[in-house]
Amino acid sequence: GAVVSQHPSWVICKSGTSVKIECRSLDFQATTMFWYRQFPKKSLMLMATSNEGSKATYEQGVEKDKFLINHASLTLSTLTVTSAHPEDSSFYICSARDPLGMNTEAFFGQGTRLTVV
Amino acid sequence: GQNIDQPTEMTATEGAIVQINCTYQTSGFNGLFWYQQHAGEAPTFLSYNVLDGLEEKGRFSSFLSRSKGYSYLLLKELQMKDSASYLCAVRAATYGGSQGNLIFGKGTKLSVKP
Repeated sequence: GAVVSQHPSWVICKSGTSVKIECRSLDFQATTMFWYRQFPKKSLMLMATSNEGSKATYEQGVEKDKFLINHASLTLSTLTVTSAHPEDSSFYICSARDPLGMNTEAFFGQGTRLTVV
Repeated sequence: GQNIDQPTEMTATEGAIVQINCTYQTSGFNGLFWYQQHAGEAPTFLSYNVLDGLEEKGRFSSFLSRSKGYSYLLLKELQMKDSASYLCAVRAATYGGSQGNLIFGKGTKLSVKP
């Protein structure tokens, strides 16, 4: 089946620095990818929709200047957490769906555990 | 608004059957999904329903009633490894064509005991 790879799986950074998370679709082209955030014992919350070749669409309450999304190719979307603060510590997950595939489900990356100290 | 409700926690015994319910109210409907998520890991796909009725896949079955905005996930012959969170998610009306995002419930934490 379709595979989505996310990197890194975990990262620890200092407050004020920036962190980039990559999401790749390995065997299909994804014109749209989704970025979610999940706090402990909470559900996945959609942050933004990443569109290849155009600007991302952000959900209400998500700062686009803080969470920079770039979808430069059909197989890669990146999320950059700029000027990270401890409250940004969370589990970030990307997902994509193969638009040409028979499957209808969204495939998820492995997730990235971000800890800001 | 968008609202998906499911119980927060459930406990069941190994070998038994458990049913996890989900009700939803969304602006449009383009399919309901169930995912399993172990702590600290990404969700993995379990089932998909877009038409009313029961979908069976091994030990897991999922039911949908669109008129009632209701679904359930049925797990049979429970095993210890089934202890996880189960997420109900709805793909709302098409967003960006057929690739609409999923709206997730808060998840049901299932604990399977010996």
